[in-house]
Amino acid sequence: AQSVTQPDIHITVSEGASLELRCNYSYGATPYLFWYVQSPGQGLQLLLKYFSGDTLVQGIKGFEAEFKRSQSSFNLRKPSVHWSDAAEYFCAVGGSGTYKYIFGTGTRLKVLA
Amino acid sequence: DADVTQTPRNRITKTGKRIMLECSQTKGHDRMYWYRQDPGLGLRLIYYSFDVKDINKGEISDGYSVSRQAQAKFSLSLESAIPNQTALYFCATSDSDIPNTEAFFGQGTRLTVV
Repeated sequence: AQSVTQPDIHITVSEGASLELRCNYSYGATPYLFWYVQSPGQGLQLLLKYFSGDTLVQGIKGFEAEFKRSQSSFNLRKPSVHWSDAAEYFCAVGGSGTYKYIFGTGTRLKVLA
Repeated sequence: DADVTQTPRNRITKTGKRIMLECSQTKGHDRMYWYRQDPGLGLRLIYYSFDVKDINKGEISDGYSVSRQAQAKFSLSLESAIPNQTALYFCATSDSDIPNTEAFFGQGTRLTVV
């Protein structure tokens, strides 16, 4: 079955510290992977996506993610977190076979001043 | 104006009432989706539609129905609302002409059933 696991429900980091949010997926075919961010009271905004090619993808707001097929992972990273990055982050998987998007349970990021 | 617009943004309704959530889009996309977001559960798919005549159940369709009135409009109905349908509801769209595209989301409708 297709699924996405985000093992960390909450993460707290200090402003300026590095960040890594974990995402593991289960998908029978080649996965198409996404990271979205949801700020309080807002909809979901796409940060980045991976379909093929270079396994390190760059996104908006200084985020990047690395696809590791051997680990079925697509972790999101940022070298230096800003207070405005406090939000909830969702990993999602989709594919041409299903044309649906399956989301993880989300990781809520808190940033300490 | 937003590309994907949901109305209303907030709604409080009573148990047993019928309620409709509406979604309209100006992106020209053929695919539309309704998701429900609950704390700790992420987003779960309720219904999805690949065109006006193609509507499919998602993983949690019980208690919900949908109508695709036009390519640009996709509404979600709760025939008899119950408290555990209190949640944040999102409409999304995607374009089948673009391979591997992402979904585009509305701002959400916060529904409270009392």
